[in-house]
Amino acid sequence: AQSVTQPDIHITVSEGASLELRCNYSYGATPYLFWYVQSPGQGLQLLLKYFSGDTLVQGIKGFEAEFKRSQSSFNLRKPSVHWSDAAEYFCAVYGSSNTGKLIFGQGTTLQVKP
Amino acid sequence: DTGVSQDPRHKITKRGQNVTFRCDPISEHNRLYWYRQTLGQGPEFLTYFQNEAQLEKSRLLSDRFSAERPKGSFSTLEIQRTEQGDSAMYLCASSPRAGGETQYFGPGTRLLVL
Repeated sequence: AQSVTQPDIHITVSEGASLELRCNYSYGATPYLFWYVQSPGQGLQLLLKYFSGDTLVQGIKGFEAEFKRSQSSFNLRKPSVHWSDAAEYFCAVYGSSNTGKLIFGQGTTLQVKP
Repeated sequence: DTGVSQDPRHKITKRGQNVTFRCDPISEHNRLYWYRQTLGQGPEFLTYFQNEAQLEKSRLLSDRFSAERPKGSFSTLEIQRTEQGDSAMYLCASSPRAGGETQYFGPGTRLLVL
């Protein structure tokens, strides 16, 4: 069955430090992968996506993610975190064109220390 | 492009009452999705429309839940005889005909059932 695992429920980093959020997926074929960010009480904003091609994808707000098929991972990174990055981050895989659904991980809450 | 809008943003109701939520997708997006998100969890897929046709329904969508998209534009999600377990954030998303894998989310409707 398709699934997404985000091993870290909560991460705290200092402002200006680098960040890596982990995501592992289970999917039979080549996956379509996404990272979304959610501020408290808000909807989800798309950060970046991977469909094919270059395995390092760039997104908005200075985020990037690397697809590693051998590790079934799609980790999100940012070289220098800003206080405004504090939010909840969700990794998702696209189920199929038949179902149309995204399958989300549990999410990682990012706290940024001043 | 005004984005996906949802109304109301917040709803408090008493157990046993019926509630209806509305979603207006991005114009010309022919696909529309509903998700439910409970506290500390990632969104879970509820249902999917392509134009006015409801193509997929999750088992989460009990017979108390019904969704419509009568003219292929806005959609409504109705919950009858609400239960406390229905308290959640209800998210709507839409995607275009081309590149339909990428879903754009609205701000959500937060439901509290007392």
